[in-house]
Amino acid sequence: GAVVSQHPSRVICKSGTSVKIECRSLDFQATTMFWYRQFPKQSLMLMATSNEGSKATYEQGVEKDKFLINHASLTLSTLTVTSAHPEDSSFYICSARDSGEVLHFGNGTRLTVT
Amino acid sequence: QKEVEQNSGPLSVPEGAIASLNCTYSDRGSQSFFWYRQYSGKSPELIMSIYSNGDKEDGRFTAQLNKASQYVSLLIRDSQPSDSATYLCAVLTSGTYKYIFGTGTRLKVLA
Repeated sequence: GAVVSQHPSRVICKSGTSVKIECRSLDFQATTMFWYRQFPKQSLMLMATSNEGSKATYEQGVEKDKFLINHASLTLSTLTVTSAHPEDSSFYICSARDSGEVLHFGNGTRLTVT
Repeated sequence: QKEVEQNSGPLSVPEGAIASLNCTYSDRGSQSFFWYRQYSGKSPELIMSIYSNGDKEDGRFTAQLNKASQYVSLLIRDSQPSDSATYLCAVLTSGTYKYIFGTGTRLKVLA
């Protein structure tokens, strides 16, 4: 089956630093990847749609300069949280759409900003 | 605003019973629907996808879709304690081609 690998699974950083999260589709090519954020006991909130070779499309209220997305190849998208603050602490999950429109998720990254 | 609605639960069922999870959506043009299971602290995993009206069965799971009523459901037969999780309904919206998730229904299967 389609596998999406996400790293790191957990990261703790200090306020003001930047954190990069990688998302790879291991056995299929993904022209489109999606980044979600999930706070405790809440549903997935779409942050942005990442398209290979073009700029990401951000959802309303998501700062594109704070959450930098790069989708440089058909199997890799990265999310960089710049100048992280405690309120950015959350569970970040990437996903990739396969050719059959099914969305496959990475294992998520739990970010804690101290 | 395209929405997906689910009852947050918790829905409690005894082991061996049928669990019925429901979802409604607002985008009448949507054609693709998905059920995901999410255990606490983990990312969602796909259970089933459904695209046509009617029922689709896969093992103990049956997805039901009624586009006229904008309604999709998931039945879990012979529920097991390991089925206890949050079940997310997702809709691939028309036009914007985004996946919108419901808030999820928390299921508890009591041993």
